[in-house]
Amino acid sequence: GENVEQHPSTLSVQEGDSAVIKCTYSDSASNYFPWYKQELGKGPQLIIDIRSNVGEKKDQRIAVTLNKTAKHFSLHITETQPEDSAVYFCAARSTSGTYKYIFGTGTRLKVLA
Amino acid sequence: GAGVSQSPSNKVTEKGKDVELRCDPISGHTALYWYRQSLGQGLEFLIYFQGNSAPDKSGLPSDRFSAERTGGSVSTLTIQRTQQEDSAVYLCASSLLAGMAYEQYFGPGTRLTVT
Repeated sequence: GENVEQHPSTLSVQEGDSAVIKCTYSDSASNYFPWYKQELGKGPQLIIDIRSNVGEKKDQRIAVTLNKTAKHFSLHITETQPEDSAVYFCAARSTSGTYKYIFGTGTRLKVLA
Repeated sequence: GAGVSQSPSNKVTEKGKDVELRCDPISGHTALYWYRQSLGQGLEFLIYFQGNSAPDKSGLPSDRFSAERTGGSVSTLTIQRTQQEDSAVYLCASSLLAGMAYEQYFGPGTRLTVT
């Protein structure tokens, strides 16, 4: 079945440094890749997304890159701040006839002040 | 405006009992998703509803799990004869439509503990 692998599971960075989270998907027909941020006690919130016809997308300090050939996509956060500390999830939208999303296992990001 | 709400926020139940979890999506959203999040794990798809179409139940882990959506709005996820492995956070999300152009908005989840 469809699978999304996410690495690393935990990541600690110093405030101001960059953080990179990587995901690999198995379904070559996946065409939409959102990233979510989940803070303690809350539901995930969409922070950025990318479609399969685009290689890179940027929104202020956050960017996502997509390599369709290698079937992997990455989240890049620059100039990290303590409020960026959270769990981040990647997802791939299945094209197996429904709008089902397959999620990665999450990355706990800690930004150290 | 109001976001997705879920109730109860926490539920503790004894093994073997039935539980019902409720989701109130954003008004006007036609698509509704249920996910399960176990400790340290990602979000596991359970079921999704889109308008009046037949729901995609492919993620339900066993026949003890069922969900319905009445009147295209509120949804209830029912777990019968709960087992300890059912303990998890159950998340609901809604979107305007099910297509990829429409963001999923998540509720805060229901934390289910089966003792």
